[in-house]
Amino acid sequence: SQTIHQWPATLVQPVGSPLSLECTVEGTSNPNLYWYRQAAGRGLQLLFYSVGIGQISSEVPQNLSASRPQDRQFILSSKKLLLSDSGFYLCAWSVLGGGTDTQYFGPGTRLTVL
Amino acid sequence: AQSVTQLDSQVPVFEEAPVELRCNYSSSVSVYLFWYVQYPNQGLQLLLKYLSGSTLVKGINGFEAEFNKSQTSFHLRKPSVHISDTAEYFCAVWGRGKIIFGKGTRLHILP
Repeated sequence: SQTIHQWPATLVQPVGSPLSLECTVEGTSNPNLYWYRQAAGRGLQLLFYSVGIGQISSEVPQNLSASRPQDRQFILSSKKLLLSDSGFYLCAWSVLGGGTDTQYFGPGTRLTVL
Repeated sequence: AQSVTQLDSQVPVFEEAPVELRCNYSSSVSVYLFWYVQYPNQGLQLLLKYLSGSTLVKGINGFEAEFNKSQTSFHLRKPSVHISDTAEYFCAVWGRGKIIFGKGTRLHILP
């Protein structure tokens, strides 16, 4: 069966520090991968998605970046965190990426920027 | 352009009472609709989805939703809630090449 892992589970970082969040998927090949941010009262915001190794699409301009160095690994990074980067970050995967497809979410990383 | 509106940010309901969580969408093309649930400090999990066919969709944990094209709604219902249903519920629509989520509705179960 497929599983999705995220780490760390929680993170407290000072403003201006770098960030690296990792997501890995097991039990499937060539998944579509997604990074979402969830801020209080604002629902889910799609940040990045990837249909294959090295292929990243950015949904919103920001100081975050994403990379996919391996088929089942998706990394979210920042060189300098802002206070507004605080939130709950969710990684997700899907098989096809189309409209009928279910997205499967990881447990999330809660990031607090101080 | 596709969008989804969840009319209630919070819904309190007594245990064993029925509940309806409202969702309205706008879409100019074929509609694919979803309800996801997020338990505290966890990721999202699919409850049910409407792709085509019967307008009444049954999901996990006793939830169901009805697609109403004329009212552009996809309300989620459960006839009798339990304390374990305490969670945030997200309605979503497929559009612009991605899933667009609503802002969520927090379901509070009162003892």
